[in-house]
Amino acid sequence: EAGVAQSPRYKIIEKRQSVAFWCNPISGHATLYWYQQILGQGPKLLIQFQNNGVVDDSQLPKDRFSAERLKGVDSTLKIQPAKLEDSAVYLCASSFNFLNTEAFFGQGTRLTVV
Amino acid sequence: GEDVEQSLFLSVREGDSSVINCTYTDSSSTYLYWYKQEPGAGLQLLTYIFSNMDMKQDQRLTVLLNKKDKHLSLRIADTQTGDSAIYFCAQGLTGGGNKLTFGTGTQLKVEL
Repeated sequence: EAGVAQSPRYKIIEKRQSVAFWCNPISGHATLYWYQQILGQGPKLLIQFQNNGVVDDSQLPKDRFSAERLKGVDSTLKIQPAKLEDSAVYLCASSFNFLNTEAFFGQGTRLTVV
Repeated sequence: GEDVEQSLFLSVREGDSSVINCTYTDSSSTYLYWYKQEPGAGLQLLTYIFSNMDMKQDQRLTVLLNKKDKHLSLRIADTQTGDSAIYFCAQGLTGGGNKLTFGTGTQLKVEL
């Protein structure tokens, strides 16, 4: 079974530029999550999707971050414009549904904003 | 609050047992999890415990839950160099689907 795929693995951008991350969850998984992991900290949930609908985006900085999962499969997370403090690893995870106990994580995209 | 706290660093000798501790604040958490993160890799679920359980054992891993003190621990028996990684405790919030609140992580270093 293929795991959660994310791209790119690494990205370096200048502040005020835009960036987008892509995630392909495990086939058949209805729930998809984006987490932000700042160096030295645990991951923090940004947004949770159930199919193509947003379940929780309470911790997403909506003035600069956006995410979509239009067809209920792949998802993109965008930052526009980026700030220095956005430097982090962005992790995508998926689970069969929101009641399922196990979430599977991708390898993440490491973003450096200079 | 929904804080999860862990000690930052633990060093053990190969073959010894490791005990990683975690405290959490949300008494309504349904599940408590332990994840492992190796350098450059995503998070790997090691084990989880339902909140109405006190203990769960899975091969070399033993999870103990003290719900009264909101304390969770992970014991790794016969620790190996391959166990060197960062270990995250996480709580699953009641009514919050499967979204997780993670601790800061404990870096385990296994020395020969």
